[in-house]
Amino acid sequence: TQLLEQSPQFLSIQEGENLTVYCNSSSVFSSLQWYRQEPGEGPVLLVTVVTGGEVKKLKRLTFQFGDARKDSSLHITAAQPGDTGLYLCSRGANNLFFGTGTRLTVIP
Amino acid sequence: EAQVTQNPRYLITVTGKKLTVTCSQNMNHEYMSWYRQDPGLGLRQIYYSMNVEVTDKGDVPEGYKVSRKEKRNFPLILESPSPNQTSLYFCASSPQTGVAYEQYFGPGTRLTVT
Repeated sequence: TQLLEQSPQFLSIQEGENLTVYCNSSSVFSSLQWYRQEPGEGPVLLVTVVTGGEVKKLKRLTFQFGDARKDSSLHITAAQPGDTGLYLCSRGANNLFFGTGTRLTVIP
Repeated sequence: EAQVTQNPRYLITVTGKKLTVTCSQNMNHEYMSWYRQDPGLGLRQIYYSMNVEVTDKGDVPEGYKVSRKEKRNFPLILESPSPNQTSLYFCASSPQTGVAYEQYFGPGTRLTVT
């Protein structure tokens, strides 16, 4: 099993705060995806990163792929209640592996 | 509307009673996949299909069967369900096989086996 470890497992913050969640692996991966899943729905893709050191921004979300392509982070600036959800990282081509996720709650 | 549909959305059944969860996509995607999601274990891939008549095992295939006779449909079959298959199931599709294509997920099927 190609383990993807996500941390923290749970995170509860106040609206307006900043946060970072992490996705780590012991092996190199060619690309990594971040998804967000809201209660009662399937995951929705946020971003795909493919190049070591790559940084991508999606409004208040900043995604970074580690230089060695073994880890990735997601930083949210000025979190809003709409950011609440389960954040999942995923790797693989056809045989896909997901991390266990970070469950984020943003309190108004 | 482009989407992945699953039926039923909720199902309660008894041990050993065969069931099928249907999955259909209207985006002409080549790749389809099934996952189960369990607390603390995350999303785990059951089976995937890269094209019609081509299926492969994922991480947790035991106790499940799939078929891909048409491009748009990818049913998940539980021949003899057991309580440890109680879970939330997701079907997904992707435009192409290979690295890093977006997975489009269905709304999920919550299965309880008593």
